[in-house]
Amino acid sequence: EDQVTQSPEALRLQEGESSSLNCSYTVSGLRGLFWYRQDPGKGPEFLFTLYSAGEEKEKERLKATLTKKESFLHITAPKPEDSATYLCAVQAQGYQKVTFGTGTKLQVIP
Amino acid sequence: DSGVTQTPKHLITATGQRVTLRCSPRSGDLSVYWYQQSLDQGLQFLIQYYNGEERAKGNILERFSAQQFPDLHSELNLSSLELGDSALYFCASSLRQGDGYGYTFGSGTRLTVV
Repeated sequence: EDQVTQSPEALRLQEGESSSLNCSYTVSGLRGLFWYRQDPGKGPEFLFTLYSAGEEKEKERLKATLTKKESFLHITAPKPEDSATYLCAVQAQGYQKVTFGTGTKLQVIP
Repeated sequence: DSGVTQTPKHLITATGQRVTLRCSPRSGDLSVYWYQQSLDQGLQFLIQYYNGEERAKGNILERFSAQQFPDLHSELNLSSLELGDSALYFCASSLRQGDGYGYTFGSGTRLTVV
């Protein structure tokens, strides 16, 4: 069964203090690894899809990378508006189901 | 506004009752997914429909059922409700089935069973 483990569960950063969130996964043949952002009381918002080891994608202060066993979401010089829960998810080859991790709750302090 | 519309936003009901949650996918999307999110378990996949047909099932209880109608909107029916069914229920949509496409999520229905 596909598994996604995210760490840390919570992260508190000062504004401008860069850091990384980790997503470890187990899947039998990766079709795609996804990163979402979720604000309180709202649905997840799609950020990136990564398809193969070595791939990287960037969006503003966020950069996602992928290896064969884990993915990192790097946050450079974060701002308070980056505060949210970041969810990682995987989809296996040949399956429709997308399995989500429980997320990392990021708080950026001004 | 993500383009995925879920109604109602909030629902409070008693144990043993039945409720229906409604989802209208983003315009042009054919695939609809239902997820349950509780505090301790994160997002749990329930069921997926593509162009009116059921395509994948997750850990959906027998008391729960869903369907997708010809106009592509979907309904999730929850019956014989228990306290443990209290959660946020999200609908998401995508143009195709999987293929690594990100989903567009609605803002959810918060169900409280008392």
